[in-house]
Amino acid sequence: AAGVIQSPRHLIKEKRETATLKCYPIPRHDTVYWYQQGPGQDPQFLISFYEKMQSDKGSIPDRFSAQQFSDYHSELNMSSLELGDSALYFCASSPRGLAENEQFFGPGTRLTVL
Amino acid sequence: AQTVTQSQPEMSVQEAETVTLSCTYDTSESDYYLFWYKQPPSRQMILVIRQEAYKQQNATENRFSVNFQKAAKSFSLKISDSQLGDAAMYFCAYRSARNSGGGADGLTFGKGTHLIIQP
Repeated sequence: AAGVIQSPRHLIKEKRETATLKCYPIPRHDTVYWYQQGPGQDPQFLISFYEKMQSDKGSIPDRFSAQQFSDYHSELNMSSLELGDSALYFCASSPRGLAENEQFFGPGTRLTVL
Repeated sequence: AQTVTQSQPEMSVQEAETVTLSCTYDTSESDYYLFWYKQPPSRQMILVIRQEAYKQQNATENRFSVNFQKAAKSFSLKISDSQLGDAAMYFCAYRSARNSGGGADGLTFGKGTHLIIQP
């Protein structure tokens, strides 16, 4: 079965650079979520989109922005990167955004900021 | 805001034995969903089991079952016949049902419990 695809899987950036993470949801899933998991931490919800509209917002820094495109893929844009942004970034998708629907997680993008 | 607390940073169990992982949460909402996710060393997040707050019956999935006590805001996970493949971080998570008609609330996770399986 198709799964959530995230690219790139690994990314190394310097401080103050920008990064773009991409997420391709499972086919026919119209809802996308972004999470950040720091080393030894639990995942923290950043932002979500349902039918290309922002639906919920968590602890996303102002330096970050995201959007969902017409084909339902999503991109997380990160600017002025800081050392503390080094983390595993998960994208998850679900159908119809209903609370009871399981969120299917991608493998994550590991971002390292030097 | 909702909070999820897992008071056991680490648990150890002998293979084939039973172990219970604890989770408590705080919310003012009456309708919500609770989840247990497993994160093995590969870091992949895998859903183990889900409980709807409006259901009194405890959810079960093969060797995994929950003890859901809504009044006490407690949601523990019991793993029976523990297997080596069960070794992982286990996260308890909460999700509001306020957007059940269409929307996408994020999950609130606890800090996790590291489960060690002794052969």
